[in-house]
Amino acid sequence: GAVVSQHPSWVICKSGTSVKIECRSLDFQATTMFWYRQFPKQSLMLMATSNEGSKATYEQGVEKDKFLINHASLTLSTLTVTSAHPEDSSFYICSARTGTGSLDEQYFGPGTRLTVT
Amino acid sequence: SQQGEEDPQALSIQEGENATMNCSYKTSINNLQWYRQNSGRGLVHLILIRSNEREKHSGRLRVTLDTSKKSSSLLITASRAADTASYFCATGGSNYQLIWGAGTKLIIKP
Repeated sequence: GAVVSQHPSWVICKSGTSVKIECRSLDFQATTMFWYRQFPKQSLMLMATSNEGSKATYEQGVEKDKFLINHASLTLSTLTVTSAHPEDSSFYICSARTGTGSLDEQYFGPGTRLTVT
Repeated sequence: SQQGEEDPQALSIQEGENATMNCSYKTSINNLQWYRQNSGRGLVHLILIRSNEREKHSGRLRVTLDTSKKSSSLLITASRAADTASYFCATGGSNYQLIWGAGTKLIIKP
């Protein structure tokens, strides 16, 4: 149980276009989802925290107008990278917590590799 | 945001040897978690230790936590080639966010 999927697994897009990444909790309801980005050989950096039905809370330095997060249902959150540029190329990972049982458990998606050319 | 340091940054050992990685953090925590990440892949949760625990075992993994020193260690015994990966610690607080260490790259030589 507690499986999180991401779609797509990888995407290559042209500079200036927008890309949407989906994060789904497959067998549980996720009250909170987290979005991270990871540059090569570096650790995860939290971008934003999203709770179902409310606006996402962005970490300092993350542009909310560039990285649009929608958590419209308890099983789906989306991250849209708008007007992508090569510096947005990164590995994007989402995680989800159930809000029940162990409050400390987060379940991670497999990640989406974005390359902007 | 990153919580603290992990050391070493990279470690290469022979198969069969034990590998020890350390993690230090700065703020008070509810728990500390260790994750493994194979190159270019997602994260695998290894073990969670709560702030009131001092040691935890899971298979070949042993994690210790010293809250007075704000540090934790991950020991992998009898390492295997398949253990080659990056290992991250992450601390959990009251707001459910995880704060990550920089990671240790472990290479097991066959």
